[in-house]
Amino acid sequence: GAGVSQTPSNKVTEKGKYVELRCDPISGHTALYWYRQSLGQGPEFLIYFQGTGAADDSGLPNDRFFAVRPEGSVSTLKIQRTERGDSAVYLCASSQTGATNEKLFFGSGTQLSVL
Amino acid sequence: DAKTTQPNSMESNEEEPVHLPCNHSTISGTDYIHWYRQLPSQGPEYVIHGLTSNVNNRMASLAIAEDRKSSTLILHRATLRDAAVYYCLPILDMRFGAGTRLTVKP
Repeated sequence: GAGVSQTPSNKVTEKGKYVELRCDPISGHTALYWYRQSLGQGPEFLIYFQGTGAADDSGLPNDRFFAVRPEGSVSTLKIQRTERGDSAVYLCASSQTGATNEKLFFGSGTQLSVL
Repeated sequence: DAKTTQPNSMESNEEEPVHLPCNHSTISGTDYIHWYRQLPSQGPEYVIHGLTSNVNNRMASLAIAEDRKSSTLILHRATLRDAAVYYCLPILDMRFGAGTRLTVKP
């Protein structure tokens, strides 16, 4: 595709349920980033993938959050036992190789609402 | 973590220049400074980046202090479409701050 695609665009779930959020990066981009953004705040870093491996997962808030990228392209962010505090926009970004002089391309995000 | 400091908000009049400052005093010597902006209900959008020299592109200019502890994003003629939250980001850190909300008045 032409840009970073995130699905679904909106997800409503109940407290305690499990959710999966999907990110399709730009084709050929090896670096992939997940952020979450609460209303009025800047994006909060969650995890960075280089290829299939998580190069930096220091931003994951707790062990309910997990992300995978098994084939080095599509990534899935998984949240177990959702809590109301997990409600936020979850953003995905990709860059070609992860080099620091490359721009990040962001998707439009998934708005997660936990009732 | 590298820390960035930006004003919470700034205002500009349409068609006037805007200088958006950012302090990043703990930036490492090899870290590029990136700027992104975010329009309502959209993901952040790349604006510009640089290492040591001033940079220009079609969207903006980036002035980087000689000691690299601060930078300034310059919009030469603000338009209403430039109203957004602007973030500076030492990219190795991968962490955004709260950004500057720019309001452009007609």
